[in-house]
Amino acid sequence: KQEVTQIPAALSVPEGENLVLNCSFTDSAIYNLQWFRQDPGKGLTSLLLIQSSQREQTSGRLNASLDKSSGRSTLYIAASQPGDSATYLCAVKDAGNNRKLIWGLGTSLAVNP
Amino acid sequence: EPEVTQTPSHQVTQMGQEVILRCVPISNHLYFYWYRQILGQKVEFLVSFYNNEISEKSEIFDDQFSVERPDGSNFTLKIRSTKLEDSAMYFCATLAGGFTDTQYFGPGTRLTVL
Repeated sequence: KQEVTQIPAALSVPEGENLVLNCSFTDSAIYNLQWFRQDPGKGLTSLLLIQSSQREQTSGRLNASLDKSSGRSTLYIAASQPGDSATYLCAVKDAGNNRKLIWGLGTSLAVNP
Repeated sequence: EPEVTQTPSHQVTQMGQEVILRCVPISNHLYFYWYRQILGQKVEFLVSFYNNEISEKSEIFDDQFSVERPDGSNFTLKIRSTKLEDSAMYFCATLAGGFTDTQYFGPGTRLTVL
């Protein structure tokens, strides 16, 4: 059964710092991996999707990498801003299933001005 | 930009009552999902729906739960007899299908069972 783990659970950094969030999964037979952002009491916003055949995806200050064989993904945030404060969730879609997502617990990020 | 909408944003109900959570998917999307997130826990898959039928459901999705698209647009989740442990945030998600793999999520409905 696929399990997704994210570390750290919480992170507090000063504005401007570059940071890395980690996601690991137990079964490397994934179809893709997505990173989401969740603001308190709000919905889930997709940030980046990496297909299993890809190594990384970039969007603005965000870069996500995928090492499927080792069951790891990282989300790199460059030059962090207070507006980046949110919970970041990693979710994988298993190969062969019906496109459901299996989620990590998230990393709660606080960027301090 | 098209978005998924959900109503109500917050529902408070008594244990044992029926609730219906509503979702309006993005218009050309073909796959529909319900997920839930109990406070402090992981987001959990409940059910997926395609071509007017359930395509997969989790062990959470027991006989107390049902889904339907009553008018071809709204996508609803019904809980027949709510329990305290059903208190959670419920998210609807939709997917265009084909080669697109990004699920778009609604803002969620916070369900509180007293």
